[in-house]
Amino acid sequence: DVKVTQSSRYLVKRTGEKVFLECVQDMDHENMFWYRQDPGLGLRLIYFSYDVKMKEKGDIPEGYSVSREKKERFSLILESASTNQTSMYLCASSPFEGESATQYFGPGTRLTVL
Amino acid sequence: TQLLEQSPQFLSIQEGENLTVYCNSSSVFSSLQWYRQEPGEGPVLLVTVVTGGEVKKLKRLTFQFGDARKDSSLHITAAQPGDTGLYLCAGEASGTYKYIFGTGTRLKVLA
Repeated sequence: DVKVTQSSRYLVKRTGEKVFLECVQDMDHENMFWYRQDPGLGLRLIYFSYDVKMKEKGDIPEGYSVSREKKERFSLILESASTNQTSMYLCASSPFEGESATQYFGPGTRLTVL
Repeated sequence: TQLLEQSPQFLSIQEGENLTVYCNSSSVFSSLQWYRQEPGEGPVLLVTVVTGGEVKKLKRLTFQFGDARKDSSLHITAAQPGDTGLYLCAGEASGTYKYIFGTGTRLKVLA
């Protein structure tokens, strides 16, 4: 079974703190994604990576950065957390199969910024 | 920016009823996926449709991709409480690895 794990299920941080969200997948997938999920807005893509050290901006990259030093690990960084970044964060991975590859999601990290 | 609108946003029905969820866009997608998400979990893929007009069946669930590959529908026959969850459609923009997710339909099936 494909497994995508996220470092924390729940996280509470203060405004201005630097926040690291970690994601690890065990299926040797090339592609990895970070989304945030908010009620009524669905999932919105923050960043994705199609190879080690490669990254591309998604639809809402402002206030976020990412790091992919190893194939299995994709980190999302909030340089200076703000209250509007309170959300559910979902990591996903998919194989490089061209179009219509399945995305496998982690269980999510619910981040609250006070 | 490509958008995928889902309707209805919320749906509460009795066990045994039929329902249809719609996913619409003004953009063309190379493929479209449907996911179901349960509380405390990430979305799980139900189906991928690739060809315009394609129909796929998964037990009591029927998925259709529009002829122009801009819209899709999910029909559930004789809904059961186990179908309760958040249903998400996701379209893949041609030539990219990027998926645009719909706004979601939260379904509750009452026993």
